[in-house]
Amino acid sequence: DAKTTQPTSMDCAEGRAANLPCNHSTISGNEYVYWYRQIHSQGPQYIIHGLKNNETNEMASLIITEDRKSSTLILPHATLRDTAVYYCIVRRPWGGSQGNLIFGKGTKLSVKP
Amino acid sequence: EAGVAQSPRYKIIEKRQSVAFWCNPISGHATLYWYQQILGQGPKLLIQFQNNGVVDDSQLPKDRFSAERLKGVDSTLKIQPAKLEDSAVYLCASSTLAGVGEQYFGPGTRLTVT
Repeated sequence: DAKTTQPTSMDCAEGRAANLPCNHSTISGNEYVYWYRQIHSQGPQYIIHGLKNNETNEMASLIITEDRKSSTLILPHATLRDTAVYYCIVRRPWGGSQGNLIFGKGTKLSVKP
Repeated sequence: EAGVAQSPRYKIIEKRQSVAFWCNPISGHATLYWYQQILGQGPKLLIQFQNNGVVDDSQLPKDRFSAERLKGVDSTLKIQPAKLEDSAVYLCASSTLAGVGEQYFGPGTRLTVT
């Protein structure tokens, strides 16, 4: 079972920041938080991941709380192309099957003009 | 860099028929995954290969599903016989190392069983 809880859906105005929350209260000390997204009729796409510190790349920023029990994915200037299902996944950094991705139902983000 | 290729993109079959899906991972990626995604749900891992060996097939319904990766590159996933509940999108993904790093997904094959 997925170890994360996300809202089912969210709306965001085009050009505004989209803040997607994720709860992972049972996360272990060596588990990472990963974010993927899935645009309609496409396979999931990696966005970003982090362990403790906040992370930023060209797509998004990831803010992880100090106790690591929750995180927020931030899309700074959402566009219509960011409309997708966003998955927050807690993942062990190990090889073999222990580091597998376990997807929940994610958050359906709708960016509106 | 070419992405993960899958074919066919769509397939419609009747129940009890057989079907096969093909996946070509990103060049050099040792790990290959097959996922099943039922409408409205997230992808569920069916099987994971490391080169041509199976790492995890604990969620593969082995009475009807089979998969192989004979030369450690391309892979096929087969369903025989298909059931109505097998209607789903079948996604292939690859990564450089199992359990670490990002997985790259193909576009998927949408299977409809009637």
